[in-house]
Amino acid sequence: AQKVTQAQTEISVVEKEDVTLDCVYETRDTTYYLFWYKQPPSGELVFLIRRNSFDEQNEISGRYSWNFQKSTSSFNFTITASQVVDSAVYFCALSEARSRDDKIIFGKGTRLHILP
Amino acid sequence: AAGVIQSPRHLIKEKRETATLKCYPIPRHDTVYWYQQGPGQDPQFLISFYEKMQSDKGSIPDRFSAQQFSDYHSELNMSSLELGDSALYFCASSLEMASGPQETQYFGPGTRLLVL
Repeated sequence: AQKVTQAQTEISVVEKEDVTLDCVYETRDTTYYLFWYKQPPSGELVFLIRRNSFDEQNEISGRYSWNFQKSTSSFNFTITASQVVDSAVYFCALSEARSRDDKIIFGKGTRLHILP
Repeated sequence: AAGVIQSPRHLIKEKRETATLKCYPIPRHDTVYWYQQGPGQDPQFLISFYEKMQSDKGSIPDRFSAQQFSDYHSELNMSSLELGDSALYFCASSLEMASGPQETQYFGPGTRLLVL
């Protein structure tokens, strides 16, 4: 069965601190996709990244970086020099590639508070 | 770039009433997904359609039905509404190419349904 675990329910950090959001996944498939989405208070789901299971390269996009480690089934997300606008709920998610239109399974989310 | 359009954005209904949510996918996208996000919860997959045929089904109540039309837009019909149906309903769309990797799902802004 596929499952995504975000052990951190809520995190608070002071602005400009770095913060890492943890994500651990379970899947029996060898081909799958991992995602991170941001959900600000307005409610929309903002796509941040998609990573396929064959690409373990870490990725950096501005202040955001992602660390994918298949050996530990983890796909952690780090925000460097956090800003108040980063306050949101962040979802890690998994999609198995058994069929091309496979559904996305979300973790429970981590609520991130950036304090000014 | 055009995004997924959902209407209405907000909807208030009474118990036992019916509701219809509409989703207009990104132009040329042929696959539509519906997700339900209860208060404080993660989005849960309901149902998906590819080329106007149902392709996958999740935890969708029997009181709900959906379809995809010839212009690829989709409607989620909800009958005998219950208080527990109050949620944010997301539609996502993707393009399922005949070959190649699974395409990214792009989410609409959601319809917030409140059942009183």
